[in-house]
Amino acid sequence: DTAVSQTPKYLVTQMGNDKSIKCEQNLGHDTMYWYKQDSKKFLKIMFSYNNKELIINETVPNRFSPKSPDKAHLNLHINSLELGDSAVYFCASSQDPASLRPLHFGNGTRLTVT
Amino acid sequence: AQSVTQLDSQVPVFEEAPVELRCNYSSSVSVYLFWYVQYPNQGLQLLLKYLSGSTLVKGINGFEAEFNKSQTSFHLRKPSVHISDTAEYFCAVSDLRKGAGKSTFGDGTTLTVKP
Repeated sequence: DTAVSQTPKYLVTQMGNDKSIKCEQNLGHDTMYWYKQDSKKFLKIMFSYNNKELIINETVPNRFSPKSPDKAHLNLHINSLELGDSAVYFCASSQDPASLRPLHFGNGTRLTVT
Repeated sequence: AQSVTQLDSQVPVFEEAPVELRCNYSSSVSVYLFWYVQYPNQGLQLLLKYLSGSTLVKGINGFEAEFNKSQTSFHLRKPSVHISDTAEYFCAVSDLRKGAGKSTFGDGTTLTVKP
């Protein structure tokens, strides 16, 4: 059973399009995250939701809008895609926001904007 | 503010050789440290963590790390590597206020194990 699963695995699209990435976790965790990993492998947090409530929003353009229909799901919608949005996007979850238990990551969605 | 520096961006080694991946951190508060591994086309997985107690921490796949408070380091070691250890390794630091989710990650070290 996959603990954190995200779809699609690969996403190739043109500039200006709108796309979504979906994430689901079956660990019973309260907190979910979106991270962006750029071409140099640098990993940066974008958003975090705790029990459907947004708790972290790191200076991300408002073209990016996360949505959490329930605590097991966190989706990422991106409007008006730009070349610089090309990256690997990772979903992750943890027990709760303050937990020091390690994060559980999905396998990533490689977004390529042409 | 916290920061993490992984001193080597790439580490090539031969199979069965020992390896050390270096990680230094800076923080004004007590820290908790993690090493994650990312295999090709996969997400990050926890290798090991230091929260408190013994400064020598053992993780999965034969890796271990030593927390050195005076040198603010948390270097990762393995006495004999396998081809399958080829991956990207990330050091991360957090503290009680932030939790693991808001860890600061290093830039990663690419370990390449050659036959």
